Amino acid sequence: EAGVTQSPRYAVLQEGQAVSFWCDPISGHDTLYWYQQPRDQGPQLLVYFRDEAVIDNSQLPSDRFSAVRPKGTNSTLKIQSAKQGDTATYLCASSFARNTGQLYFGEGSKLTVL
Amino acid sequence: GDQVKQSPSALSLQEGTNSALRCNFSIATTTVQWFLQNPRGSLMNLFYLVPGTKENGRLKSTFNSKESYSTLHIRDAQLEDSGTYFCAAEAYPGSWQLIFGSGTQLTVMP
Repeated sequence: EAGVTQSPRYAVLQEGQAVSFWCDPISGHDTLYWYQQPRDQGPQLLVYFRDEAVIDNSQLPSDRFSAVRPKGTNSTLKIQSAKQGDTATYLCASSFARNTGQLYFGEGSKLTVL
Repeated sequence: GDQVKQSPSALSLQEGTNSALRCNFSIATTTVQWFLQNPRGSLMNLFYLVPGTKENGRLKSTFNSKESYSTLHIRDAQLEDSGTYFCAAEAYPGSWQLIFGSGTQLTVMP
């Protein structure tokens, strides 16, 4: 069974540039999460979806961050006008919430904003 | 804030020894998950726990919901056990939204 797939693995931007991260969850998983993990910290939830619906995006900086999951499968997280403080690893995870909430993570997309 | 507090923050072990990591919760969680983040950054799910104990090889984890803590015991530590261990708790029951601790960085030395 394929795991959670993320791309790109690495991105380096100048401040003000935009970037998109893509996630393909485990097949059949209804819930998809985006986490931000700054260096030497634990992951912090940005947004999560149940199927195509946003369940909670209260931690997403809405002025520059956006996330979609239009068909309830793949998802894209976009950062517009990146800032140095956005430097972190962006982790995607999925689960089959109707069974258990056990999370499976992708390898992450490491963003550096210069 | 420190809704999920892990201790110790860092730990060094000799190969073959045993240790325990701890997680204390200030939120009323009904499930706990433990993860290991390897040096490449991949987070691997070790345990998904309701109150009680689970064992997998050299790892054993307990979740005590009444006293709001969980422990992860590592027996006969091996070099490949090195990495950062995270525990995570549900923000509120049934939310499937996890709050992570700040991690325990474990180094196993030969």
